[in-house]
Parts: sequence; structure tokens; C-alpha cells
Amino acid sequence: QVQLVQSGAEVKKPGASVKVSCKVSGYTLTEFSMHWVRQAPGKGLEWMGGFDLEDGETIYAQKFQGRVIMTEDTSTDTAYMELSSLRSEDTAVYYCASEGVYYFDYWGQGTLVTVSS
Amino acid sequence: QTVVTQEPSFSVSPGGTVTLTCGLSSGSVSTNYYPSWYQQTPGQAPRSLMSNTDTRSSGVPDRFSGSILGNKAALTISGAQAEDDSDYYCVLYLGGGMWVFGGGTKLTVL
Repeated sequence: QVQLVQSGAEVKKPGASVKVSCKVSGYTLTEFSMHWVRQAPGKGLEWMGGFDLEDGETIYAQKFQGRVIMTEDTSTDTAYMELSSLRSEDTAVYYCASEGVYYFDYWGQGTLVTVSS
Repeated sequence: QTVVTQEPSFSVSPGGTVTLTCGLSSGSVSTNYYPSWYQQTPGQAPRSLMSNTDTRSSGVPDRFSGSILGNKAALTISGAQAEDDSDYYCVLYLGGGMWVFGGGTKLTVL
């Protein structure tokens, strides 16, 4: 059974960085691409970036380029998303999601990141 | 910048049929965008409903169906039930590893 388990909620000050983890079980990270999606309070889903199997590189949404880094530790089957220079608008639930064949089949439970002074 | 459009809200009576759509601010949605659909209830992670236009995900009831209608992707619920009262999101694959979500549709069943 595939599971994606994310790290716990975080509270950060403006300007700080946050690193969210996503540990997979039931498969290995090398088998699928991992993506990150966020959802601000009361708002819709927003794709932040993910690994592109076709090109073998991580692709970031233009909005987050220069501020986000997505990495993977295949030895522990854990994916990470680090977002820097946090501002209040980054307050959101952050989800990891594994990619099936051109869709997101499994999702983590979400990690609430609150940015507040 | 590519914008994916969805109806902000929709209402359907129990047992009724409703079609939610997923379009592009400029251009037409085709199967080449691999449209997929997700259901989300408050406080929960999204759940995959439909992939590659019309392939139901595991465990999804057959009252859910996907298609291309005109220049949009569509999710049809035939015989809506109370538990279908949720938010629905589509996402399109733009190529080059890029994806974009629609703004979501809040479906009310009453």
C-alpha cells in the first residue's frame, strides 16, 4: 500500500525558510516523480513544481523559481521541499503528490506552514 | 501565462446530473493536455477521480465520467449523491514538465 507521510506543521517568521519532508512507503522514490502542490486558506490548489521523468530534471512553476528547491533522498525514500524568503502569502497547506501516468495518484496528508511575525 | 478555467460553483439535486468543465483562457483543451480531476472535502487532501481525460481512478464510482466536450475537458456526475458535495479541481499537463490547476468548482448537492 502506497503512503506519503509528511512532516508536521511549521510556524515561521517572514524572511525565514521552511523545509517540508514527504516520506514514501509502498514504493521507492526512483519509481515515480514527486510533485509539490500548495493550498492557501480558502483558496484552490497550486502546482509548485516536480520532477520531470522525460527530461530527468526538476521543473518549478515560474512563480516560485529562485525561491524553492525540491530534493530527494533515495536512501530513505524521502522527498523535500524547501521554500525560502517566506512572506505572509506563503501561509498554506503544502502537499506532496506522486505522479502516475500524467496525473497525481497519491497525496500526502498535507503540512500547514504559517508565516507570521 | 496559462490560466485554466472552472466554474466557481455549481448546484445539483440529489439524483441529478451535473457536468463540470475545465477550459483554457486561450485555446482548446484536448486529450494532449491529459486532463485529470480531483475531489477535495474540507480538511482533507485531494483524491484522484479521473486521469487522462476519462480513466476512473481505483475505487471511484461509475457515476463519475470524464470526456472532452467541445473545447473543454468535462467531469460528469450522473445520479449525484450527498457525498459528492465537495470541491473539484482539474489539472492540465502543459508539456515540458509543467502543470497548472484550475481554480476549482464548489459543488453543492441539495
